[in-house]
Amino acid sequence: DTGVSQDPRHKITKRGQNVTFRCDPISEHNRLYWYRQTLGQGPEFLTYFQNEAQLEKSRLLSDRFSAERPKGSFSTLEIQRTEQGDSAMYLCASSLNLRQGLANEQFFGPGTRLTVL
Amino acid sequence: KQEVTQIPAALSVPEGENLVLNCSFTDSAIYNLQWFRQDPGKGLTSLLLIQSSQREQTSGRLNASLDKSSGRSTLYIAASQPGDSATYLCAVRRANYGGATNKLIFGTGTLLAVQP
Repeated sequence: DTGVSQDPRHKITKRGQNVTFRCDPISEHNRLYWYRQTLGQGPEFLTYFQNEAQLEKSRLLSDRFSAERPKGSFSTLEIQRTEQGDSAMYLCASSLNLRQGLANEQFFGPGTRLTVL
Repeated sequence: KQEVTQIPAALSVPEGENLVLNCSFTDSAIYNLQWFRQDPGKGLTSLLLIQSSQREQTSGRLNASLDKSSGRSTLYIAASQPGDSATYLCAVRRANYGGATNKLIFGTGTLLAVQP
């Protein structure tokens, strides 16, 4: 399978615990994005990376959230001291950005569904 | 601030019917618009991407149109099948300084049910 993969697919945790999700983008895609989707809503942008550099962060990304892409390949999203409001589907996407002006289509993974009890 | 709206929120049609899903956006300065399909509890599958300079894109039974000046896009599905049942999302990327911002701004989706 050469698509975007995410692990785990489901995570149930208790309030106050830390959780970490992983995303493996399509091979050779240099951009990686994280989105969050709550029930009945469209996904909302959280952050994105160009290679290993985190270039944009949404205001939705509180200081309890941290994302990394250490070698410009896979990425991790960590949530510290989880709250019930963090319950959502966390989606990862990747794209290939060769140069400005090209339409770099984003391809999404299956998501990680987080439930905070 | 760019806002994306999709109407209707839900739609139920009998198998074989042609149908149109609507997407509107408030800021016409877009770089491109993408239509996605999402099955329950799953990720997003890209269906069609339309550049801001294009008027429409076609893939199989799907046709997406874009009218940037009026802030509207439609997704036309021909000869609908029960397997088309899913949530359909549209998303726009804003144009920015000769290029584009990197985040997609999504609508809330249209939940489609095709009855056999």
